[in-house]
Amino acid sequence: AQSVTQPDIHITVSEGASLELRCNYSYGATPYLFWYVQSPGQGLQLLLKYFSGDTLVQGIKGFEAEFKRSQSSFNLRKPSVHWSDAAEYFCAVGSNDYKLSFGAGTTVTVRA
Amino acid sequence: ETGVTQTPRHLVMGMTNKKSLKCEQHLGHNAMYWYKQSAKKPLELMFVYSLEERVENNSVPSRFSPECPNSSHLFLHLHTLQPEDSALYLCASSPNSGTTGELFFGEGSRLTVL
Repeated sequence: AQSVTQPDIHITVSEGASLELRCNYSYGATPYLFWYVQSPGQGLQLLLKYFSGDTLVQGIKGFEAEFKRSQSSFNLRKPSVHWSDAAEYFCAVGSNDYKLSFGAGTTVTVRA
Repeated sequence: ETGVTQTPRHLVMGMTNKKSLKCEQHLGHNAMYWYKQSAKKPLELMFVYSLEERVENNSVPSRFSPECPNSSHLFLHLHTLQPEDSALYLCASSPNSGTTGELFFGEGSRLTVL
């Protein structure tokens, strides 16, 4: 069975600083990988996804993620965070069926 | 108009009440999902419908009863819930039931069981 671990429960970052959120997955085959963001009081929105090909994936809102098979990781990065990036971020892994497995999430706080 | 709309946004109910959550998607998708989100826990998949047929019932207690009358509407009927059922219930849709497509989520229904 697939699973996802997000080691950081909460990260605080200054506005304008870089951000990296960690995600490790467990899955026997080539995974489908996703990052979602949830702003307060909102549902989840897809930031980016990886299915195959280039291991560096660009997403919306200036985010990118890199798939590293050797490390079973799919870390999310943003070079310069904005106050509006304060939210909860979820990594997810999927297979050839409808079952997405989500991590427990990382809460990002942005300080001025 | 948002793609996936959930009502009500907030619901407080007693353990003996019967209530329903509604989800409507305006995206022309074929698959719809119910997820349960509890604080600091991974999202839990509850039910999946593909072309109005239930394809997944992820060991959910029978006090939760889903209904999918057509591909645009999904309900979650609630009956004799427990306080531990208090959570955010998220509805999502996707073009098909495979995970090669992204999930489009509603804003959720916050349920409090007293």
